Amino acid sequence: SQTIHQWPATLVQPVGSPLSLECTVEGTSNPNLYWYRQAAGRGLQLLFYSVGIGQISSEVPQNLSASRPQDRQFILSSKKLLLSDSGFYLCAWSMVGTPEDEQYFGPGTRLTVT
Amino acid sequence: AQKITQTQPGMFVQEKEAVTLDCTYDTSDPSYGLFWYKQPSSGEMIFLIYQGSYDQQNATEGRYSLNFQKARKSANLVISASQLGDSAMYFCAMRESYNDYKLSFGAGTTVTVRA
Repeated sequence: SQTIHQWPATLVQPVGSPLSLECTVEGTSNPNLYWYRQAAGRGLQLLFYSVGIGQISSEVPQNLSASRPQDRQFILSSKKLLLSDSGFYLCAWSMVGTPEDEQYFGPGTRLTVT
Repeated sequence: AQKITQTQPGMFVQEKEAVTLDCTYDTSDPSYGLFWYKQPSSGEMIFLIYQGSYDQQNATEGRYSLNFQKARKSANLVISASQLGDSAMYFCAMRESYNDYKLSFGAGTTVTVRA
C-alpha cells in the first residue's frame, strides 16, 4: 500500500533563516506531487505541483521554491523565511491523469516563523 | 474568481442528527471531479467522497452522501447520524481536467457535534 511521509512534524524558525521540508511517497511510482499551505482556520492554497522528476510548476509567486530530486521525493525550501510563511504545510500525491484520482495527503508540517 | 464556495464557516449539530454542508462550484470544463475532505484537529486531510461530473447518481460512502445538482453547480455533503468524532473542518474541492487535475479547495466549514 502507498504511504506518504513528511518531516519534520513541527518546526519553529526565526525570520530570515532557511527552510527545508521533505516529503516522500512509498508504494507507487511516477506520482503527481503537490505542496499546499494552510493558514490557521483557512483553506488550502496550492503552492507547487510536479508531474515528474525536475518538473515543478509554481502557483503562487513567493520566496519559497520546490524541487523533486527523485521520483517520490518532493522538497519545499526557502532561503530566507518571512513571518507570513507561518502555517501548516501539506504534501499530497495522486495518480496521473483522470479527474477522479483523489489526492492523498501527508500528516503535515506545522511551521512557526518567529 | 472563486472556484469553490463554502458559505458556512461553522455549524453546530446534535449527535445522531443529519447535517448538510453547502458547496457551490464554478467551472466551464465539462469533465471535472468534486471531492470532500475532512480535517480533524490533528491536521490530517481525510478523503470522504467523490462525485464525477458525468456520474448519473449521487455518490454515497457510508454515512456520507453527496447531493449533486449539476445545473445549479452544487455539491452539498450530507452527514447522517452525526457522531462526536465528526467534529472537524470539512473542505469541498474540485479537480478540472483542463487545469492539470489540480485541486481547488473551498475555505472550509467547521462542524461541531454536540452530545
